[in-house]
Amino acid sequence: DAKTTQPNSMESNEEEPVHLPCNHSTISGTDYIHWYRQLPSQGPEYVIHGLTSNVNNRMASLAIAEDRKSSTLILHRATLRDAAVYYCSRTNTGNQFYFGTGTSLTVIP
Amino acid sequence: NAGVTQTPKFQVLKTGQSMTLQCAQDMNHEYMSWYRQDPGMGLRLIHYSVGAGITDQGEVPNGYNVSRSTTEDFPLRLLSAAPSQTSVYFCASSDTGSGKLFFGSGTQLSVL
Repeated sequence: DAKTTQPNSMESNEEEPVHLPCNHSTISGTDYIHWYRQLPSQGPEYVIHGLTSNVNNRMASLAIAEDRKSSTLILHRATLRDAAVYYCSRTNTGNQFYFGTGTSLTVIP
Repeated sequence: NAGVTQTPKFQVLKTGQSMTLQCAQDMNHEYMSWYRQDPGMGLRLIHYSVGAGITDQGEVPNGYNVSRSTTEDFPLRLLSAAPSQTSVYFCASSDTGSGKLFFGSGTQLSVL
């Protein structure tokens, strides 16, 4: 989805927090924000999702801007196993997912 | 504990050939969908289905057909393959309303 934009790549040191940004320039009021990640040679896997409020789960936290035009996926302590491509998505009420182009995260030991 | 199963994992076709990519899920999910993944383009929605007998188009439906005769299966058909359809294809399913997609491991398709 050309209207969901992410940086191509980011780097982080191991055991440091990582903030992965996503811009949702045309998100509507009822669209959810989802994040998935994809390890090499695997299908994407669910990380987290939310609508308006910030969300936490065992994998990550999701911060959603007040105007919902941007979101940030937060990995609190990056590990080598977190090296992956991270995709954000806006998801409409018809359950159609429109993904960004993904951010390739490199974790430096 | 199979989840979403895609076959085949790899396929090479000649231009103009037809084929069907298979997708099956054992989680009784109502929602199923197909995506293609191309370098620099992310995942793009091809077709989706909200239940047996119901299908609809996504972002990039041209050149692909789908049908949903059972809850478990959602095959993707390429009627006349073109080099532009060279891609990695992913099938996904979800329990409608959960917001969580479960993806298969993908089919890498090359059209020569």
